[in-house]
Amino acid sequence: DVKVTQSSRYLVKRTGEKVFLECVQDMDHENMFWYRQDPGLGLRLIYFSYDVKMKEKGDIPEGYSVSREKKERFSLILESASTNQTSMYLCASRGGLAGSYEQYFGPGTRLTVT
Amino acid sequence: LAKTTQPISMDSYEGQEVNITCSHNNIATNDYITWYQQFPSQGPRFIIQGYKTKVTNEVASLFIPADRKSSTLSLPRVSLSDTAVYYCLVAWANAGNMLTFGGGTRLMVKP
Repeated sequence: DVKVTQSSRYLVKRTGEKVFLECVQDMDHENMFWYRQDPGLGLRLIYFSYDVKMKEKGDIPEGYSVSREKKERFSLILESASTNQTSMYLCASRGGLAGSYEQYFGPGTRLTVT
Repeated sequence: LAKTTQPISMDSYEGQEVNITCSHNNIATNDYITWYQQFPSQGPRFIIQGYKTKVTNEVASLFIPADRKSSTLSLPRVSLSDTAVYYCLVAWANAGNMLTFGGGTRLMVKP
């Protein structure tokens, strides 16, 4: 079974702090994604990566950056956390098989910025 | 970019067949249609994907008409545990197969 793990289930940070959210997958997948989920807005793509050291902006990249130094790990960074970044953050991975759109999601990290 | 539109919510009863329809009028030639299921406090889970006509797996069926401007997810004989949010997505072939999640359909299965 594919396993996608996220470093924390719950996280509380103060405004202005630098926040790191870590995601690890164990299936040697090329593609990894970071989403945030807010009530009434569904899931929105922040960034994705299709290879080590490669990244692409999603729909809402402002205020975030990412890092992918190793294939299995994809980090989301909030350079200076703000209250409007309070949300559920979901990481996902997907293999590179052509025609397959099955993404595997982690359990999520509920981040609260106070 | 193919935006999807689906009902906000649906109610059903145990044992019934549930059909959730999604419209994607701007779908491009190489785009695929996928459906995901999400339970509270969990990440979404892939259900099924298709390009045209009908696809069936052990969980659901997906019907896609010839014009591909809509699709219908069919869940046979639902149970209480099928209560979840169901997302219809189009995988954009020209954007690295990126998926965009819409608001989803909240399905409530009643006893």
